[in-house]
Amino acid sequence: GEDVEQSLFLSVREGDSSVINCTYTDSSSTYLYWYKQEPGAGLQLLTYIFSNMDMKQDQRLTVLLNKKDKHLSLRIADTQTGDSAIYFCAFKAAGNKLTFGGGTRVLVKP
Amino acid sequence: KAGVTQTPRYLIKTRGQQVTLSCSPISGHRSVSWYQQTPGQGLQFLFEYFSETQRNKGNFPGRFSGRQFSNSRSEMNVSTLELGDSALYLCASSRGTTSGGTDTQYFGPGTRLTVL
Repeated sequence: GEDVEQSLFLSVREGDSSVINCTYTDSSSTYLYWYKQEPGAGLQLLTYIFSNMDMKQDQRLTVLLNKKDKHLSLRIADTQTGDSAIYFCAFKAAGNKLTFGGGTRVLVKP
Repeated sequence: KAGVTQTPRYLIKTRGQQVTLSCSPISGHRSVSWYQQTPGQGLQFLFEYFSETQRNKGNFPGRFSGRQFSNSRSEMNVSTLELGDSALYLCASSRGTTSGGTDTQYFGPGTRLTVL
C-alpha cells in the first residue's frame, strides 16, 4: 500500500536553512508536492516536482528527489519566522488522488 | 482570481445528525476533491468529482457522499454523524486534466466540524 513518512518536528534558527525530509513507498508516483499549513488554515501549495526530475529551485525553496531511495526533501533557505508552520509532502500516482505524509512541524526561533 | 471557498467555516453537530458542506472551486476548474484531516489519521482522500461525476473514491463508509453541480460547485454530505467524524474537511480544486503538465490541486480554508 501507499505510505509516506515524515519526521514530526524541526526546530531551526531564523536565518539558517531548514531541510524537511520525506520518504515514500509507491514508485509509480508521477508528481510530488510540498504544501504548507498555518494554524487554522487550509493547505498552501509551495512547489512540486515531476518524477523524472532530480531537483527544482524556486526562490528560497529547493526540492531534491532521489527516486532510487524514494526520498524527497525540501530546503528552505534563510528561514524566517513566517515559515513556522506544518509542511506536508504529497504524491500523486494514478488519478487525481493525493497521498500525504503526516506533516513536519517547523518552529523558527528568533 | 478568487481562490477556493468553503462554507460554513465552522459547524457543531450532535451524534446521529447529518451535515452538508459546500465548496466553490476556482473559476475554470472542473475537478473538486475532498479530504478529511484529523490528528490521528492525518490527511485522507474522500472522493473526487469531475464534470458532475465521481471519478475517484477513498476508503470511507457510505455515510460520506458528495455531488457536483453543473457550475462545478460541490457539496459533501455526512449522514448519521459519529464522534469520530470530527475533523477539518478540506476541499481542493483543479483543472481536472493533465494536458500541459500537473493537474495541481489548490485547497480551500476548510470546514471544521465538531460532533458532540
